[in-house]
Amino acid sequence: AQTVTQSQPEMSVQEAETVTLSCTYDTSESDYYLFWYKQPPSRQMILVIRQEAYKQQNATENRFSVNFQKAAKSFSLKISDSQLGDAAMYFCAYDLLNAGGTSYGKLTFGQGTILTVHP
Amino acid sequence: GAVVSQHPSWVICKSGTSVKIECRSLDFQATTMFWYRQFPKQSLMLMATSNEGSKATYEQGVEKDKFLINHASLTLSTLTVTSAHPEDSSFYICSSRGWGNTEAFFGQGTRLTVV
Repeated sequence: AQTVTQSQPEMSVQEAETVTLSCTYDTSESDYYLFWYKQPPSRQMILVIRQEAYKQQNATENRFSVNFQKAAKSFSLKISDSQLGDAAMYFCAYDLLNAGGTSYGKLTFGQGTILTVHP
Repeated sequence: GAVVSQHPSWVICKSGTSVKIECRSLDFQATTMFWYRQFPKQSLMLMATSNEGSKATYEQGVEKDKFLINHASLTLSTLTVTSAHPEDSSFYICSSRGWGNTEAFFGQGTRLTVV
């Protein structure tokens, strides 16, 4: 079974600064997807960034980037130029591939990291 | 982008009654839907996976007779919490995935309070 571990229950950052959230996972599969989701107080799950395991290049979405280390099974999220609106709970998630080679959708989540952004 | 609508957003019910939560994919056909449960400040735990027209597959430890899942059409799945008790109070979230989607899309969640 796959497991996802986020070892930082809470993190804080000053506005405009950079913060890195950690995530490790365990799997015996070679192909899979990894995600970072943001859950603001509204509790709507918002996809932040996605990484396909077969891609060596780290994914980037504007101020959000990941450091994907497949051999170490590590998948950290870096938020640059932090904004007040980034304050939320962040979840790292793992997903298998379906027969079509895309994300199956059956996510295994980490415990979450509460990010506070100070003005 | 794909939209998943979950209804109701919140519900309060009396202990012993049943509550139905709907999850609709508004602009795509959801071949697979997933139901999660989340306690305050905790992670999302998968309860079950449902494929259209098939019986749901429940995760270990989830009572299938208590949490009835129906996925009768490609746009609608329902979760019925039967004979609800206060310990069933939680946040329930659905997600849906269709053919060709690269990810699953989440509903806005339902906060269930059993009094």
